[in-house]
Amino acid sequence: EDQVTQSPEALRLQEGESSSLNCSYTVSGLRGLFWYRQDPGKGPEFLFTLYSAGEEKEKERLKATLTKKESFLHITAPKPEDSATYLCAVLTPEGGKLIFGQGTELSVKP
Amino acid sequence: DTAVSQTPKYLVTQMGNDKSIKCEQNLGHDTMYWYKQDSKKFLKIMFSYNNKELIINETVPNRFSPKSPDKAHLNLHINSLELGDSAVYFCASSQDPSLRQFFGPGTRLTVL
Repeated sequence: EDQVTQSPEALRLQEGESSSLNCSYTVSGLRGLFWYRQDPGKGPEFLFTLYSAGEEKEKERLKATLTKKESFLHITAPKPEDSATYLCAVLTPEGGKLIFGQGTELSVKP
Repeated sequence: DTAVSQTPKYLVTQMGNDKSIKCEQNLGHDTMYWYKQDSKKFLKIMFSYNNKELIINETVPNRFSPKSPDKAHLNLHINSLELGDSAVYFCASSQDPSLRQFFGPGTRLTVL
């Protein structure tokens, strides 16, 4: 069965304290892996798409990487405004279905 | 202009009632989706339409019926509401199923 697992469930960081979020997946025929950010009371907002192992994408303090079994979202020198829930999702071959992980709730304290 | 909009934002209703949630996108996308996010923030696909044709229909009670009057609209009608239907429902759209999805602001449904 296709599955996406994110860890940790919650992460508390001090401002400037770099860390990584993990997304591991079991899916046959991965067509793409997506990272989204979700703020309380809002819809998910797109961050990155990764399509093949070894691929990396960067945006400001965020960097996403992909291997054959997992993806990492690295956060360098985070700021309080980076606090949000980060969602990982994999695209399956069947009709382009996105399967989401349960998310990592990130809190960055000043 | 809002790319993907949903109405209403909040919906509070009694068990057994029938309700609808509306979704509109002004991005010119061909594919639209409905997701359910439960209290643990887990987001799960319910339905997907491509150019008004149903392409994904997950294991969802048949009390839920999506309707796409045109490419820009995808509505969700729910019959005989149950307590377990309480959740946040998100509409989304994409130009193609393999590309990024744009999400609406969500509709928080509370069934009493």
